[in-house]
Amino acid sequence: SSDLAQDPAVSVALGQTVRITCQGDTLRVYYASWYQQKPGQAPVLVIYGQNNRPSGIPDRFSGSRSGNTASLTITGTQAEDEADYYCNSRDSSGDHVVFGGGTKLTVL
Amino acid sequence: QVQVVQSGAEVKRPGASVTVSCKASGYTFTDYYIHWVRQAPGQGLEWMGWINPHRGGTKYAQKFQGRVTMSRDTSISTAYMDLRGLRSDDTAVFYCARVIALAGNYYFDSWGQGTLVVVSS
Repeated sequence: SSDLAQDPAVSVALGQTVRITCQGDTLRVYYASWYQQKPGQAPVLVIYGQNNRPSGIPDRFSGSRSGNTASLTITGTQAEDEADYYCNSRDSSGDHVVFGGGTKLTVL
Repeated sequence: QVQVVQSGAEVKRPGASVTVSCKASGYTFTDYYIHWVRQAPGQGLEWMGWINPHRGGTKYAQKFQGRVTMSRDTSISTAYMDLRGLRSDDTAVFYCARVIALAGNYYFDSWGQGTLVVVSS
């Protein structure tokens, strides 16, 4: 299996744009999906595929991929976006799933 | 609407086993794989494995091979995760999630609320 690498922490000023990245060789083959997790809550899917948002996810969340790096971008970050964000994808074998270590987003 | 509801918190002694259940509703249970994910206190998400509710096939992360068994009962739309030989470092919240397979990719679109398992003597 392969690893997905995320920055442990990122901060952004209220109303600004932030990009959270996820790097791994498996992302050359598979799309990452992104999950938001607030303290004491289950993760919530926010982006999947090339750049798809489940129903109810604000359009300030978007996703992209370049080479072996997937990115989650939040445009006009709100205070309620402060959370941990995880990426995942199938691993290189295709049989398993791997998660990134997570990025703690702080909204200043 | 799609819902995945897990069983309640457990406290276990080291060496014991635990079974966590995951009841699905709002969709055809056999149409989507169920995956299990572990989260130790203050740590990230760790994938444990999946079960295909239709045929019962499973795949486990190597770390849990030999200690975990995933099963299901289609008559009550419920998946189960059994973890044996519990150790203190198994203390964690365990999640089940419905996973959509789309164009070869997996998306965890509906998660259970999580089940806290505490392993302590």
